[in-house]
Amino acid sequence: AQSVSQHNHHVILSEAASLELGCNYSYGGTVNLFWYVQYPGQHLQLLLKYFSGDPLVKGIKGFEAEFIKSKFSFNLRKPSVQWSDTAEYFCAVILFNTDKLIFGTGTRLQVFP
Amino acid sequence: NAGVTQTPKFQVLKTGQSMTLQCAQDMNHNSMYWYRQDPGMGLRLIYYSASEGTTDKGEVPNGYNVSRLNKREFSLRLESAAPSQTSVYFCASSEPRDYPYEQYFGPGTRLTVT
Repeated sequence: AQSVSQHNHHVILSEAASLELGCNYSYGGTVNLFWYVQYPGQHLQLLLKYFSGDPLVKGIKGFEAEFIKSKFSFNLRKPSVQWSDTAEYFCAVILFNTDKLIFGTGTRLQVFP
Repeated sequence: NAGVTQTPKFQVLKTGQSMTLQCAQDMNHNSMYWYRQDPGMGLRLIYYSASEGTTDKGEVPNGYNVSRLNKREFSLRLESAAPSQTSVYFCASSEPRDYPYEQYFGPGTRLTVT
């Protein structure tokens, strides 16, 4: 069965540190990839998405992600985190020509001032 | 444009009680979804509806029923609540013609079953 793995369950950083959250998926066909963010007490919001073209995708709030097809990965990065980035981050995959998202288990990010 | 709305925001039930979670979207989307979110497990799909009048099971459908009465609304019913159904429930919608099917989420319902 297709799955999405997020190996970092809980990440703690100081402000201005760099961030990289890992995401790997298990499916050999064409996929569309998403990162969602859930701020404390809020609903999921889309950070960025990849469906074709440049494998380096830029999203909101200075986040970016790189799709590496050979590694089945879609890691999320930010060069300098802020306290307001404290949230839970979910990687998700849609298989080509389907409309069902498969979510990873999430990574909880805490940023301290 | 409210997006996806859910009611109630919070609910406490006793084991065996029933309730319906309501979801509505005003984006004219055809597809709607119900997820549950549990710590360490991410979001898991309970049921989805590709269009008005159709529903299909997702990954964890047991103990739930759904109803897609019209294009806007998609409800989730717990007939006999169990403590294992304590969770946060999210509704989402998407438009299949808008590839690659970005899903828009509601604010969630936090349900506790005692």
